[in-house]
Amino acid sequence: RKEVEQDPGPFNVPEGATVAFNCTYSNSASQSFFWYRQDCRKEPKLLMSVYSSGNEDGRFTAQLNRASQYISLLIRDSKLSDSATYLCVCGVTSYDKVIFGPGTSLSVIP
Amino acid sequence: DTGVSQDPRHKITKRGQNVTFRCDPISEHNRLYWYRQTLGQGPEFLTYFQNEAQLEKSRLLSDRFSAERPKGSFSTLEIQRTEQGDSAMYLCASSVLKKALVDWEEQFFGPGTRLTVL
Repeated sequence: RKEVEQDPGPFNVPEGATVAFNCTYSNSASQSFFWYRQDCRKEPKLLMSVYSSGNEDGRFTAQLNRASQYISLLIRDSKLSDSATYLCVCGVTSYDKVIFGPGTSLSVIP
Repeated sequence: DTGVSQDPRHKITKRGQNVTFRCDPISEHNRLYWYRQTLGQGPEFLTYFQNEAQLEKSRLLSDRFSAERPKGSFSTLEIQRTEQGDSAMYLCASSVLKKALVDWEEQFFGPGTRLTVL
C-alpha cells in the first residue's frame, strides 16, 4: 500500500461547479499536511497547508480527519484556471521528509 | 530571479553514460530535496539535505545515484551507468522551517531537469 493515496481522477467539471478531492495516508504518526498544485509541465507549488481544525482560503477549503486518516480539498465555483493536478502531501514531523501522493487531475471545462 | 534553479533543463544521454545535475536553492534556505517524477505520478522522494548534511536517502535508490551539497548551498545529483528506467523529470526543492503553532515548511521547486536515456 502506498503511503499517500489519492482519487485517481481525472475530474472533468464545468465552470462554476464544486469539486472535492480525497486523500488517504497510511502513517498514523503524520503531523503535517499540504495540498500542492502542479500545472502541466510545470513544477509543483504550495496551494495550502491543512490544519487540524480545517482551513479555508477563498474558494478552497481543506479538511483533515485524523481518525480516518484522510484529507480533503474542496474547490467551489471552479474556474478554468483551476485546471491542474492537485498533489496531497504528508509528513511525520517538520524534521522529516514529506511524501507526495500521485495527484488528481482536474479539468474545468467551459 | 531568486527562485530555485536547475541545470541543465534537458539531458539526453545513452544508456551506460554518467550524468550530473545541478540545483541552486533559494539562498537562505537550509533544506534541499531531490525528487524524481514520471508521467502521471507525484514527485518521488530521493534524498534531502539540511545544510551540507545528507539526512536521508530513499531506500529505493540504487547505489548508482549519489548527491552532494558540499558547502550547504548548491547541490549535485549524479547518476552513474544510466539505464532507460532512469528517464524521468528530476526536481529539486528548497525550504526553510517556519515556526508556528505547528512547525511546517513550504517547499519551493525548481523547473526540473528532464532526463531521457536512449
